Amino acid sequence: NAGVTQTPKFQVLKTGQSMTLQCAQDMNHEYMSWYRQDPGMGLRLIHYSVGAGITDQGEVPNGYNVSRSTTEDFPLRLLSAAPSQTSVYFCASSFGQSEAFFGQGTRLTVV
Amino acid sequence: GQQVMQIPQYQHVQEGEDFTTYCNSSTTLSNIQWYKQRPGGHPVFLIQLVKSGEVKKQKRLTFQFGEAKKNSSLHITATQTTDVGTYFCAGAGGGNKLTFGTGTQLKVEL
Repeated sequence: NAGVTQTPKFQVLKTGQSMTLQCAQDMNHEYMSWYRQDPGMGLRLIHYSVGAGITDQGEVPNGYNVSRSTTEDFPLRLLSAAPSQTSVYFCASSFGQSEAFFGQGTRLTVV
Repeated sequence: GQQVMQIPQYQHVQEGEDFTTYCNSSTTLSNIQWYKQRPGGHPVFLIQLVKSGEVKKQKRLTFQFGEAKKNSSLHITATQTTDVGTYFCAGAGGGNKLTFGTGTQLKVEL
């Protein structure tokens, strides 16, 4: 049971670089989401998707793009990395508003 | 938009003491969920409450959902070192969004 798989686990970027954080789930969940976690801020929703071809913005979407071409995959793209995007990123999936399963996280540092 | 506040932010207890964290939403929720995150780990689902006034227990953990479905609490009886971590509530409102609280970091000292 793979569950939710995130890659990479760690990444260092230079300011202005772009990259894609990968997220895949094998539970046939229609709902997938991306969060960022910063000290004292909890988990803040970046973008989410309720099914293939459907995405919507969360609380902090600026600087990030997503797409959902398949049920399994929900990549998060950083267009032009900034130091303010240094954070731990979590991908999660669920059936609707039920139990969310989280990936192991990606620790991103932008220098 | 929907906001979910959680208090306290930090709590240090001696092993054997009780612990409670409180969660308040700015809007009425369809359900509330609780998660635990161990240091360096990812959030792991503990429970979901759906009904107004609902109370659920898991061993030493007691979860409550308020009558107005806008607040919730998690109470741990006789804490153990294995309870260390950050506890998050997450409110499900409209629009398929799950809004997480800021979390309560629990430290348990021997």
